[in-house]
Amino acid sequence: AQSVSQHNHHVILSEAASLELGCNYSYGGTVNLFWYVQYPGQHLQLLLKYFSGDPLVKGIKGFEAEFIKSKFSFNLRKPSVQWSDTAEYFCAVSQHRDDKIIFGKGTRLHILP
Amino acid sequence: NAGVTQTPKFQVLKTGQSMTLQCAQDMNHNSMYWYRQDPGMGLRLIYYSASEGTTDKGEVPNGYNVSRLNKREFSLRLESAAPSQTSVYFCASSEASYNTGELFFGEGSRLTVL
Repeated sequence: AQSVSQHNHHVILSEAASLELGCNYSYGGTVNLFWYVQYPGQHLQLLLKYFSGDPLVKGIKGFEAEFIKSKFSFNLRKPSVQWSDTAEYFCAVSQHRDDKIIFGKGTRLHILP
Repeated sequence: NAGVTQTPKFQVLKTGQSMTLQCAQDMNHNSMYWYRQDPGMGLRLIYYSASEGTTDKGEVPNGYNVSRLNKREFSLRLESAAPSQTSVYFCASSEASYNTGELFFGEGSRLTVL
């Protein structure tokens, strides 16, 4: 069965710092990969997704992620964070042609103004 | 356009009581899901339904049952609630049968079991 590991449980950064959140998955076949964000008091919304093609995926609000198949990784990046990026970030994976979507435990990001 | 609607938003139960969480989507999506969210545990998949008439177990199905009543509605039932089922429950839906689309979430249902 697939699983998702997010290495950082809680990250604290200052505004304008660069961000990288780690995500690794365990499944040897073709996968679909996602990053979701949950702002305080809100439900989850999609930041970006990877299905195929260019392994560097760009999402909303300046976020991007790179799929590295050999490392089973899909790390989330942002060159310069803002206070409004304070939220919890979840990596998720599904197997190709399967509706089952599994989430990681999340990374709580706190941006200091 | 309501999206994904869950009811109730809040519920308090006593151990052993039963209840059903209702979920409906108006986006004509094929796939529907129930997750629970607990601090430090992320979202864990309880059950999902790839299409009307089918349901499958997720990561933590024990203690729960589901019904895909029609294409719009997917309910989650707790037959005999336990304190370990205290959680926030999210329903979600997705467009494509093979999950080529994103998940759209409801606002969540906060359940407390005493």
